[in-house]
Amino acid sequence: GQQVMQIPQYQHVQEGEDFTTYCNSSTTLSNIQWYKQRPGGHPVFLIQLVKSGEVKKQKRLTFQFGEAKKNSSLHITATQTTDVGTYFCAGVRSNDYKLSFGAGTTVTVRA
Amino acid sequence: GAGVSQTPSNKVTEKGKYVELRCDPISGHTALYWYRQSLGQGPEFLIYFQGTGAADDSGLPNDRFFAVRPEGSVSTLKIQRTERGDSAVYLCASSFDKLAGELFFGEGSRLTVL
Repeated sequence: GQQVMQIPQYQHVQEGEDFTTYCNSSTTLSNIQWYKQRPGGHPVFLIQLVKSGEVKKQKRLTFQFGEAKKNSSLHITATQTTDVGTYFCAGVRSNDYKLSFGAGTTVTVRA
Repeated sequence: GAGVSQTPSNKVTEKGKYVELRCDPISGHTALYWYRQSLGQGPEFLIYFQGTGAADDSGLPNDRFFAVRPEGSVSTLKIQRTERGDSAVYLCASSFDKLAGELFFGEGSRLTVL
């Protein structure tokens, strides 16, 4: 089963608002990745975090890796209709190379 | 090709039949993964190849599932005696190296077992 948990499962956002989705692992991760899957599409890589406490930004998206390397978050500011889709976090345990995906946060945007 | 190619894109079969799903990874990518995704769920790991060998097949649900990658490039996922519960989108992904991180996914093969 999946070892990575994501909350919330669904996020309904008013266009222009901010939101955050969270990812938690029961085990320490060597790295964590985030993917976006548009409706009817396939997962597309967004970013990888490796270091404890690491923060990376991509325009309106901010990704954070927790100090204990067991959790991560994705914060989106000024949500746009192009942000619609499902965001997955995926973690790799130490001494492993298998990427385990969470169940995803599905984002819908009200114009 | 420019990306990961999977065929067929859609496969409808009857319960008990045998199915093969093909994946052609990005040229030069040594790592290849198979995942299965059911509606509303995240991709579920099935098997990982590094080169020609299956480095980790711990995600294969049972012995009806088998995958090969004989020349270290194209891979085939084989499902025997299909069951209705096998219905899902089967995703293939490749990466340059097992340590490279980013996975490039194909469009998937949607399998429906009637």
